[in-house]
Amino acid sequence: QVQLQESGPGVVQPSETLSLTCTVSGDFISGYYWYWIRQPPGKGLEWIGYVHYSGITNYNPSLKSRVSMSVDTSKKQFSLKMTSVTTADTAVYFCARDMGGEKGHWGQGILVTVPS
Amino acid sequence: QTVVTQEPSLTVSPGGTVTLTCASTTGAVTSGYYPNWFQQKPGQAPRPLIFDTTNKHSWTPARFSGSLLGGKAALTLSGVQPEDEADYYCLLYYGSGNYVFGPGTRVTVL
Repeated sequence: QVQLQESGPGVVQPSETLSLTCTVSGDFISGYYWYWIRQPPGKGLEWIGYVHYSGITNYNPSLKSRVSMSVDTSKKQFSLKMTSVTTADTAVYFCARDMGGEKGHWGQGILVTVPS
Repeated sequence: QTVVTQEPSLTVSPGGTVTLTCASTTGAVTSGYYPNWFQQKPGQAPRPLIFDTTNKHSWTPARFSGSLLGGKAALTLSGVQPEDEADYYCLLYYGSGNYVFGPGTRVTVL
């Protein structure tokens, strides 16, 4: 059974870069699209973007200027970088496989706080 | 800017039936939006329930069903159980690899 585990710092200072990694176990990383989604405390879900195992990416237009994603198939990991963070970027960040499809599966999420 | 709308909250009695809907400001939701539905309980990650309008995941209880209804995507819960109390989010695909989540519907079983 596939498992996804987010990792990274729980606190990121304003104006700095948020960096998260999702490690995949129990399945191949090849053949899928891998997603990042976030949820501010007490609010709804926001799609951030995806990276295909081939390296193709696509980002939410509202975040595109600050976001980049990459995949390392040898380590079975994919990553999210978000630059110039503000308090509005405080959220639980989820990684997911095949977010809108038959093979959908999500990680448990990681809380990232940007202090004021 | 594209906006997806859902009922903010719904209340249903145990054993009852409730239908949640998902609309788009761009017009009628069709199968081409590949509607998805997710269930989220407090402190947990969202759990996929429905993909491509009507398709269930292997873990989706039979009492959950997806459809298109009056130009919207719909999720119907039949024979509601207390454990169905949760937030439910729809997800629509807008082409060119772009997705938008709805704001969520809080379902209370009372």
